[in-house]
Amino acid sequence: SQTIHQWPATLVQPVGSPLSLECTVEGTSNPNLYWYRQAAGRGLQLLFYSVGIGQISSEVPQNLSASRPQDRQFILSSKKLLLSDSGFYLCAWSGSFTEPQHFGDGTRLSIL
Amino acid sequence: GENVEQHPSTLSVQEGDSAVIKCTYSDSASNYFPWYKQELGKRPQLIIDIRSNVGEKKDQRIAVTLNKTAKHFSLHITETQPEDSAVYFCAAPLPNDYKLSFGAGTTVTVRA
Repeated sequence: SQTIHQWPATLVQPVGSPLSLECTVEGTSNPNLYWYRQAAGRGLQLLFYSVGIGQISSEVPQNLSASRPQDRQFILSSKKLLLSDSGFYLCAWSGSFTEPQHFGDGTRLSIL
Repeated sequence: GENVEQHPSTLSVQEGDSAVIKCTYSDSASNYFPWYKQELGKRPQLIIDIRSNVGEKKDQRIAVTLNKTAKHFSLHITETQPEDSAVYFCAAPLPNDYKLSFGAGTTVTVRA
């Protein structure tokens, strides 16, 4: 069966520091991969998605970037975090856009 | 989401009563409609989905109905229980794209 791993679960970072969040999927090949951000009490904001290695589509212009160095690995990065980057970051995968997206457990990021 | 509108934003029901959440979408080519439940601090989890070739789908106390002509789909929870309290999100795929457009979410509170 397929599983998705996301880490760390929580992270506290100072403003201006770099960020790297990692997501890996097991049990499937060539998944569509997604990064979402959720502010407290709000909906899901799609940040990036990828349909293959090295293929990244950005939804929102910001100081974040994403990379997909391997088929089942998706990384969210920032060179300098802002206060507004605080939130709950969720990675998800799907087999196609007409199949369910399955979410990881998320990373709760607090910027001080 | 820009493609999906969800109502109501909050819903309070007495335990044992039914809860109904409605979503409308704009693109008539959309053909897959999932519903997610997100408990506080947890990841969204798929609870039921429906494809455009059927009008209704049931899974125990949960049902989803789809009206393609009117371009809306609804989640029905019968005999609500306290554990049904959560935020519920509907979604629809953007055609010819790899993304899901999520509704803004409905916070359901079941009063004991």
